Amino acid sequence: EDKVVQSPLSLVVHEGDTVTLNCSYEVTNFRSLLWYKQEKKAPTFLFMLTSSGIEKKSGRLSSILDKKELFSILNITATQTGDSAIYLCAVETGNQFYFGTGTSLTVIP
Amino acid sequence: DTGVSQDPRHKITKRGQNVTFRCDPISEHNRLYWYRQTLGQGPEFLTYFQNEAQLEKSRLLSDRFSAERPKGSFSTLEIQRTEQGDSAMYLCASSWSGALEMEDTQYFGPGTRLTVL
Repeated sequence: EDKVVQSPLSLVVHEGDTVTLNCSYEVTNFRSLLWYKQEKKAPTFLFMLTSSGIEKKSGRLSSILDKKELFSILNITATQTGDSAIYLCAVETGNQFYFGTGTSLTVIP
Repeated sequence: DTGVSQDPRHKITKRGQNVTFRCDPISEHNRLYWYRQTLGQGPEFLTYFQNEAQLEKSRLLSDRFSAERPKGSFSTLEIQRTEQGDSAMYLCASSWSGALEMEDTQYFGPGTRLTVL
């Protein structure tokens, strides 16, 4: 059965800290891995990863995929209170997307 | 606003009633997805359309659920004989399926929150 597992389930940090969120997967027919940020509304897209070892960056956020070990990490440096959200990882296999349960990040001022 | 829109945003219904939700995708997108999200969980895939064809349907989607995308644009999701367990956020997403890496990125609508009393 295809599955996506995220860790930790929740995380509380202070502003300025760096965090690493993990996403591991076991799927057949892997096509891509996506990261989303979800606040009190629908998820918003962050990154799409298809190739191993190529880091994607957007400001203080970065992500990388390891297709051999079947995982991805999302790094957030110099965290701000506005980074508080649930971060979702999703894996696309052909025509379906499988989501993890998310990591809830709380950034304390 | 050229994003994905959903209507209604909230729906409260009594058990046993039928409900219908609508999703309008980003206009040039050919793929449309329906998800269900309950508190504390990631979105669960329900079904997916490529243009007007329903290509994939999760086993989570019981016979009481039906989705259509008659002209390959907007889509409707109907739940018949609602049950309390159907209470959830129903999310719609759309994407453009093509050969380039940045395609297939899903853009989500705001969701329809269903409460079944």
